[in-house]
Amino acid sequence: DAGVTQSPTHLIKTRGQQVTLRCSPKSGHDTVSWYQQALGQGPQFIFQYYEEEERQRGNFPDRFSGHQFPNYSSELNVNALLLGDSALYLCASSLMGPEQFFGPGTRLTVL
Amino acid sequence: TQLLEQSPQFLSIQEGENLTVYCNSSSVFSSLQWYRQEPGEGPVLLVTVVTGGEVKKLKRLTFQFGDARKDSSLHITAAQPGDTGLYLCAGIVGFGNEKLTFGTGTRLTIIP
Repeated sequence: DAGVTQSPTHLIKTRGQQVTLRCSPKSGHDTVSWYQQALGQGPQFIFQYYEEEERQRGNFPDRFSGHQFPNYSSELNVNALLLGDSALYLCASSLMGPEQFFGPGTRLTVL
Repeated sequence: TQLLEQSPQFLSIQEGENLTVYCNSSSVFSSLQWYRQEPGEGPVLLVTVVTGGEVKKLKRLTFQFGDARKDSSLHITAAQPGDTGLYLCAGIVGFGNEKLTFGTGTRLTIIP
């Protein structure tokens, strides 16, 4: 049973560019949440998708957007990248409950 | 202001010793989870507690949820080098909500 998968594992971009990160949830899960984890800190909630709609959103600007597909996979898009967007981006999946299962993350470096 | 405060931030102890990590908040959580995270990897769920006063055991790890559901603790007995990692508590505030709020983490190092 495959767990949560994310791609790519690492990514280097320059300021002002745009990036798309991808996530496939754990088999049977229908809800995907995205988190940003800066170095030395706990993850911060970006948003959550369920039934292809954004259900909840954290305190992140509109430069951060997402999408969920009919197969429950999800994308996180970040526009106009800033140096401060450098972080580990984590995807977590769940099914009707508080328990969330995380993927290995995508390490984004903005130069 | 961090909603969930973890203490200590760093802990380095000898193999075989016992330790306790604390997670405190002024908010009430409908549920609280503990994760362990290795460098460069995603957090791995260890336990979920939902009832005030609940105690759960996972081999040498004991998790407790405070009676008022505002705090939690993780106790490790006879620590082993494999316990090394970043321990994160994460809670869901209120009900009808699935947004996880994470603590700042406790970085634990077990010295062989």
